[in-house]
Amino acid sequence: KAGVTQTPRYLIKTRGQQVTLSCSPISGHRSVSWYQQTPGQGLQFLFEYFSETQRNKGNFPGRFSGRQFSNSRSEMNVSTLELGDSALYLCASARAGTLNTEAFFGQGTRLTVV
Amino acid sequence: GNSVTQMEGPVTLSEEAFLTINCTYTATGYPSLFWYVQYPGEGLQLLLKATKADDKGSNKGFEATYRKETTSFHLEKGSVQVSDSAVYFCALSISNFGNEKLTFGTGTRLTIIP
Repeated sequence: KAGVTQTPRYLIKTRGQQVTLSCSPISGHRSVSWYQQTPGQGLQFLFEYFSETQRNKGNFPGRFSGRQFSNSRSEMNVSTLELGDSALYLCASARAGTLNTEAFFGQGTRLTVV
Repeated sequence: GNSVTQMEGPVTLSEEAFLTINCTYTATGYPSLFWYVQYPGEGLQLLLKATKADDKGSNKGFEATYRKETTSFHLEKGSVQVSDSAVYFCALSISNFGNEKLTFGTGTRLTIIP
């Protein structure tokens, strides 16, 4: 069974640019969540999608957005990049629809903004 | 709100030593509790979980017991190995048929020396 796949693994962007990250969840999983990991702030929840709908959103500015497609694959977009957006972005998938579902994480996309 | 407080690191131990990493939580409702591990350059892997009070999660020699009375979920291992060197995250989620979100502690970096 394939795990959660995130692409690309590494990305270097210039301040002011925008970026799109992709996440393919485990087959059969309909919930996809995104997290930002930085040394200073730790792991912070960005948003969660289920059946193409955003169900939950963390405390991030509107520059951070996402979407989910009918095959459950998800993308997140960051516009007008800032140096502080440099982080490891992790995607997690879960079966959802039941109580206490566990999340499975991808290897992450490391974004560096210069 | 929900929060997780984790033992500050880094923690350095000799091989075969006993490990405890403390974790306490604050939550409204009845959370599920998790320990995730992150190896260098990787995403998060679920190490173990417990979904209700007095449950014990265990995996690869690691154990943690869900203690509702002390709101704790301490991670223990009787004899650590060099391969256990990683960052460990305690987390909680309150899944309620549609609100999949993990709240993480700050992480504890563990180094095992031969």
